[in-house]
Amino acid sequence: GENVEQHPSTLSVQEGDSAVIKCTYSDSASNYFPWYKQELGKRPQLIIDIRSNVGEKKDQRIAVTLNKTAKHFSLHITETQPEDSAVYFCAASNNAGNMLTFGGGTRLMVKP
Amino acid sequence: DSGVTQTPKHLITATGQRVTLRCSPRSGDLSVYWYQQSLDQGLQFLIQYYNGEERAKGNILERFSAQQFPDLHSELNLSSLELGDSALYFCASSVTGTGRETQYFGPGTRLLVL
Repeated sequence: GENVEQHPSTLSVQEGDSAVIKCTYSDSASNYFPWYKQELGKRPQLIIDIRSNVGEKKDQRIAVTLNKTAKHFSLHITETQPEDSAVYFCAASNNAGNMLTFGGGTRLMVKP
Repeated sequence: DSGVTQTPKHLITATGQRVTLRCSPRSGDLSVYWYQQSLDQGLQFLIQYYNGEERAKGNILERFSAQQFPDLHSELNLSSLELGDSALYFCASSVTGTGRETQYFGPGTRLLVL
């Protein structure tokens, strides 16, 4: 089955800096890659997703890139703010089923 | 608010007991997923239903079972509970349950087994 690895497990940045979180996946059939933000004790919330027919997608300060050949995808957050502090999860799924396989999560801390 | 509801929010029970977690999907969504989030295992897919039928199974223990009812709400039954079953249980829903479709998560049920 699919295996998703996520790095780093923790990331600390200064407010205004950029943050990058990277994920690799194992199943070449995977074609949908969402990113979720989870605040402590809350539900995972979708912040951006990318499908395998595109290489990059942006939404304001957030962008995701996908390299299908290398089987990795990354989340980029620019101009970080304290409210960006949370745990971020990458995930992957494919057409055979919509179940999500999650990475281990990255705890992002943005220092004011 | 994602539109997915889960009850109860918290559940405290003893080892060996049985509990039922309930989930109502977003209006119009036909597919429901259950995920378990524990400190050591992260977020893990348990099971998926589509319009009342089981569609996919993940790392779900034999002590656990689920079903989706005609009104599309779903229940996850956990029996012979063990300490290690303590976790956050999330339900998610999507429109058709097919690939590349966004899943919206509910607020979760926090289960504590003592």
